[in-house]
Amino acid sequence: EAGVTQFPSHSVIEKGQTVTLRCDPISGHDNLYWYRRVMGKEIKFLLHFVKESKQDESGMPNNRFLAERTGGTYSTLKVQPAELEDSGVYFCASSQVWVAKDEQYFGPGTRLTVT
Amino acid sequence: AQSVTQLDSQVPVFEEAPVELRCNYSSSVSVYLFWYVQYPNQGLQLLLKYLSGSTLVESINGFEAEFNKSQTSFHLRKPSVHISDTAEYFCAVSYTGTASKLTFGTGTRLQVTL
Repeated sequence: EAGVTQFPSHSVIEKGQTVTLRCDPISGHDNLYWYRRVMGKEIKFLLHFVKESKQDESGMPNNRFLAERTGGTYSTLKVQPAELEDSGVYFCASSQVWVAKDEQYFGPGTRLTVT
Repeated sequence: AQSVTQLDSQVPVFEEAPVELRCNYSSSVSVYLFWYVQYPNQGLQLLLKYLSGSTLVESINGFEAEFNKSQTSFHLRKPSVHISDTAEYFCAVSYTGTASKLTFGTGTRLQVTL
């Protein structure tokens, strides 16, 4: 069974440009999460999809970030326009059940560098 | 605000020595506790978790963690580390009142040397 995959693995863009990150969850997992780790700090929750619906987007930093999950399969996270402070590693995770104790399976992350 | 504290950002240790990675959380409600590990150039993997029952939980590769409710701690231990344990370890908590999102600590980088 394939794990959670993320694309690209690295992205370097200039301030003001747009970047789109993609996450493919484990097949059959209705729950999809986005997290971000800014260098040296904790991994922070961004948002949670249940199928195609946003269940919790309380962690989204501002309206420059747009997450979508059309059809309840893969998800994209767009940053437009990117700022320097958006640099970090963006992790995607998926889980089968929407309960606090269910294991979340993480992808390898996308390292975003904004210059 | 709910938080997880990992006081040690880096822990150097010699192979075959014991190690303890500390984790404390803030909570006044029921929690589930997790340790995730990130090996170099890989994603996060679940190492072990506490959901309920026995306060001592173990992983398949010799790590264990003990849930201490009175001290709000979930320290990770291994009696004898191996070079292959070199990785970054993250403590995380989910709160039964906030659905399933995880709150992470800042991570502890374990460096095992000969």
